[in-house]
Amino acid sequence: DAGVIQSPRHEVTEMGQEVTLRCKPISGHDYLFWYRQTMMRGLELLIYFNNNVPIDDSGMPEDRFSAKMPNASFSTLKIQPSEPRDSAVYFCASSLTGGRGNYGYTFGSGTRLTVV
Amino acid sequence: DQQVKQNSPSLSVQEGRISILNCDYTNSMFDYFLWYKKYPAEGPTFLISISSIKDKNEDGRFTVFLNKSAKHLSLHIVPSQPGDSAVYFCAASEGLKLVFGAGTILRVKS
Repeated sequence: DAGVIQSPRHEVTEMGQEVTLRCKPISGHDYLFWYRQTMMRGLELLIYFNNNVPIDDSGMPEDRFSAKMPNASFSTLKIQPSEPRDSAVYFCASSLTGGRGNYGYTFGSGTRLTVV
Repeated sequence: DQQVKQNSPSLSVQEGRISILNCDYTNSMFDYFLWYKKYPAEGPTFLISISSIKDKNEDGRFTVFLNKSAKHLSLHIVPSQPGDSAVYFCAASEGLKLVFGAGTILRVKS
């Protein structure tokens, strides 16, 4: 298995532009999570899906952020319009069991977003 | 408010010695605790975990200790190796999601 695949690896965009981050989870994993890593706040959960259905989006910062999972093998995180404070590394992770038990998540390599 | 706290931003240890990484939490309902390791330009990778009903779990050079009364857990790495240099995240399971600490940078000097 190729693991969790994220694209792009790096994204530099101008303030006000739309940004779309993509994720392909591990086949068979029912849970998909989007996290954001910043120096100040560490890893923050933005949203997670179970069987393609959004379960908890309480971590999404504001209406500028949206996430979709149209099928079991693909998810997007969109920021529109982007702002400099959105600059961070965005991670996608997938899991068989959610956060329970000893399995944890498998993370992708992340997308480093820079908004100038 | 941060439910999982790693109060030491960084730690430096000599090769061969013990590394001790600490983590405190506030939510007594957490049922599993996990440690992840992260190298630059990579995603975090699962390292070791412990159930809230246990107080110790060991896997090779890595041991996690849980003190529920103090709401504290620690990761011991013995002996430390230069390849252990990374960011270590403590995480706690809250239902179906994991809550992470801010991370501790470990540097193992050779």
